[in-house]
Amino acid sequence: DAKTTQPNSMESNEEEPVHLPCNHSTISGTDYIHWYRQLPSQGPEYVIHGLTSNVNNRMASLAIAEDRKSSTLILHRATLRDAAVYYCIPLLSGSARQLTFGSGTQLTVLP
Amino acid sequence: DAEITQSPRHKITETGRQVTLACHQTWNHNNMFWYRQDLGHGLRLIHYSYGVHDTNKGEVSDGYSVSRSNTEDLPLTLESAASSQTSVYFCASSEGFGTYGYTFGSGTRLTVV
Repeated sequence: DAKTTQPNSMESNEEEPVHLPCNHSTISGTDYIHWYRQLPSQGPEYVIHGLTSNVNNRMASLAIAEDRKSSTLILHRATLRDAAVYYCIPLLSGSARQLTFGSGTQLTVLP
Repeated sequence: DAEITQSPRHKITETGRQVTLACHQTWNHNNMFWYRQDLGHGLRLIHYSYGVHDTNKGEVSDGYSVSRSNTEDLPLTLESAASSQTSVYFCASSEGFGTYGYTFGSGTRLTVV
């Protein structure tokens, strides 16, 4: 399985952009990169995923390095509601389709 | 709207009792998963299913079982509840091979006394 490294915690000010990094240097060429977040007392929530190109959706942007060994989740304007644990998860392609959660990054948003 | 629901939201049971947690999804997803999350820790995979009558063991499957008789449901059974199984349990579903996001339920908080 591809291993991931994320900072344990990060802080951001409200309404400022946040860049959450993830290192996944052992990722294989066909693994998707998924990001999920978990708000307090809730189940994980899908944020975004990508393969090679940068991706945008209504929640966030995902910037994937050209060598795919790292990626960055970008929240363009952090709100208090974005305070959560963010998980970066390489998803093995082919027959293995389970999400394997690491410890993630605890994002604190300061008012 | 399609959804994934877990029941009950909270349950207290006694050691040694059999307990079943329900997971129902209306997404028509083939893949379903059960995770547990202990206080202050990440999620660990218990069992998963890729379709009707298919079940597979995850990382922490001892003491748990699942069955998949239809697409919508994947009940999780604790054969003989133990205090070590006190946890929050999350069900998830997905379609495809990583090309789509996974959807999680709101969780069941189980306390074994």
